Amino acid sequence: DIQMTQSPSSLSASVGDRVTITCRASQSISRNLNWYQQRPGKAPKLLIYAASSLQSGVPSRFSGGGSGTDFTLTITSLQPEDFATYSCQQSHNKPYTFGQGTKLEIK
Amino acid sequence: EVQLVESGGGLVQPGRSLRLSCVASGFTFDDYAMHWVRQAPGRGLEWVSGISWDSANIAYGDFVRGRFTISRDNAKNSLYLQMNSLRAEDTALYYCAKVNVLEPGTLDYWGQGTLVTVSS
Repeated sequence: DIQMTQSPSSLSASVGDRVTITCRASQSISRNLNWYQQRPGKAPKLLIYAASSLQSGVPSRFSGGGSGTDFTLTITSLQPEDFATYSCQQSHNKPYTFGQGTKLEIK
Repeated sequence: EVQLVESGGGLVQPGRSLRLSCVASGFTFDDYAMHWVRQAPGRGLEWVSGISWDSANIAYGDFVRGRFTISRDNAKNSLYLQMNSLRAEDTALYYCAKVNVLEPGTLDYWGQGTLVTVSS
C-alpha cells in the first residue's frame, strides 16, 4: 500500500498569514493527489484534485502543487473559516490512502 | 443539489453484524462509482471500500479481510455496506462519498456519516 505522510501534524497561524502543508507519498503517484478540508463535526470537503485543480466553489486562496511523491497545499491570506484539519489522499492505486491530517489552529 | 444520507449505524457487540445504507439524490446515481470512508474518534480518514457504477469492480481496504461487503441498488439510488464480525477497532464514523467523474478516486461529495460503535 502507498503510505501518505503529512507535515506538520499541527500548525498555528494568524488570520492573513500564508501557510503551506506538505504531503509525501511512499512511491510515485504521478499527480493523483487530492486535498480535503474538515471542520470540527463536519464531513470532509474536497478542495484540490489532481494535485493542482481547484474544486468548483473553493476560494482561489487555496492552491496545490507537486507531482511524483511530493505535494503541497498552500493557503494565502488565511481567513477565520480556514482553521480546520487538512488531509491529503492518493487516488493512484487502491487501497486509496490518506495522510494523517494537519490541524491548522489560530495563533 | 447533491445529497448523501447515511443510516444504519449504532451500538453493536463485538462479533455481530451491521448494515449501513446511503441514499443519494441530486445526481444520476448509476453514472458514478461510490465509496465508503471511515474515521475513528480523534483519528484520520481511512478508505474502506469502493464500487463501480455497475458493481463490476469492487475493492476493499486491507483491514476488511473478507468481513465487509459493499453493494449498491441503482434502482433505489442506494449504497450499502454489510459489516460482519465487527471488532472494537471498527468503531468509527462511516461516510459514503461520490466520485468525481473526471478523476476516479477523487471524492467530491460526502454524506454526514453514520456512527458505528462496537462495544460489549
